[in-house]
Amino acid sequence: NAGVTQTPKFRVLKTGQSMTLLCAQDMNHEYMYWYRQDPGMGLRLIHYSVGEGTTAKGEVPDGYNVSRLKKQNFLLGLESAAPSQTSVYFCASSYAGTGRSGANVLTFGAGSRLTVL
Amino acid sequence: AQTVTQSQPEMSVQEAETVTLSCTYDTSENNYYLFWYKQPPSRQMILVIRQEAYKQQNATENRFSVNFQKAAKSFSLKISDSQLGDTAMYFCAFMIGNTPLVFGKGTRLSVIA
Repeated sequence: NAGVTQTPKFRVLKTGQSMTLLCAQDMNHEYMYWYRQDPGMGLRLIHYSVGEGTTAKGEVPDGYNVSRLKKQNFLLGLESAAPSQTSVYFCASSYAGTGRSGANVLTFGAGSRLTVL
Repeated sequence: AQTVTQSQPEMSVQEAETVTLSCTYDTSENNYYLFWYKQPPSRQMILVIRQEAYKQQNATENRFSVNFQKAAKSFSLKISDSQLGDTAMYFCAFMIGNTPLVFGKGTRLSVIA
């Protein structure tokens, strides 16, 4: 009963380095999301996916890429990290549709703290 | 674009007292959902309560209840009998149909013994 698992939980990068955050869910959810949380800014959507092989941009997509090759996984990549990408990153997932029990309710991972020096 | 506004960056309440957190939102849609999420120091995002816009009855979950005023586009959270474990950031959030959740900037609540 893992729910949503994010790896790694902590990472320190130097400016210009690349990395990938992995999100895995075992609830057979169709939708997956990546948010970033910064002090005083709430959670802002980076990218999301409504199904395997599909992705879409959110509010703050610049500097990030994503892939959803398998339904249960959603990867967030930073090709060339910048100090402005220092943040806590949250992955979440949910069922599609509005009629199903639990639809529209996001299940969140525990977050990944990324520091870019 | 949908927006969610939480006008109280920080609040405090005495243990066992009642506190109300404010939230307003902006949309021209009729079919939407409203949420309150709690984020304790552990950083985990926890769903507190959910309200469907088409339901007139206010949602309640134990000590947590909402005051949903659709015409005023207001969705406040009332916490009764506050407990030390209620200390957390509280986020109001809003979703139209199947579109992604939009969050407010949060209210930091401190419960004082």
